[in-house]
Amino acid sequence: KQEVTQIPAALSVPEGENLVLNCSFTDSAIYNLQWFRQDPGKGLTSLLLIQSSQREQTSGRLNASLDKSSGRSTLYIAASQPGDSATYLCAVVNAGNNRKLIWGLGTSLAVNP
Amino acid sequence: DGGITQSPKYLFRKEGQNVTLSCEQNLNHDAMYWYRQDPGQGLRLIYYSQIVNDFQKGDIAEGYSVSREKKESFPLTVTSAQKNPTAFYLCASSIGGLLYNQPQHFGDGTRLSIL
Repeated sequence: KQEVTQIPAALSVPEGENLVLNCSFTDSAIYNLQWFRQDPGKGLTSLLLIQSSQREQTSGRLNASLDKSSGRSTLYIAASQPGDSATYLCAVVNAGNNRKLIWGLGTSLAVNP
Repeated sequence: DGGITQSPKYLFRKEGQNVTLSCEQNLNHDAMYWYRQDPGQGLRLIYYSQIVNDFQKGDIAEGYSVSREKKESFPLTVTSAQKNPTAFYLCASSIGGLLYNQPQHFGDGTRLSIL
């Protein structure tokens, strides 16, 4: 059974720092991995989607990597800003017939001015 | 602007009452989803629909019902059989379902509480 774990659960950093959020999954047979952002009391916003054949994706100050063999993905945020404060969620879609998103619990990020 | 609209933002349910959460999208997406989010738990799939007039149960469908009569709309009814309905409900849509390597787009959620 696929399980997705995100460490740390919470992170507080000063503005301007580069930071890394971690996501691990137990079954390497995935179709894709997705990173989302959730602001308090709001829905989710898709940040990056990495297909199983890809190693990384970039969007602005965000870079996500995927290592299927080790069951890991990282989300790198460069030059963090207070506006980056949110919960970041990782989810995987399993390969095979029963495709659905399996979600991690998220990392709550606070970027302090 | 295209997007997903959920209403109401807050909803209160009385004992024995059915309530319906609205979800409308103007993204022309084929697939739509309902999730439940509880503190300390990952998002859990309630129902999903890949095309009009077709839907499938997710992991926690008991006590819930849906319909998909129009491409744009996917309402969720929380029935009195759902004994613990207090949660944050999220509706999402995507192009062609999970087979298409396309991200899901989410609405801003409905927070349901018991009176």
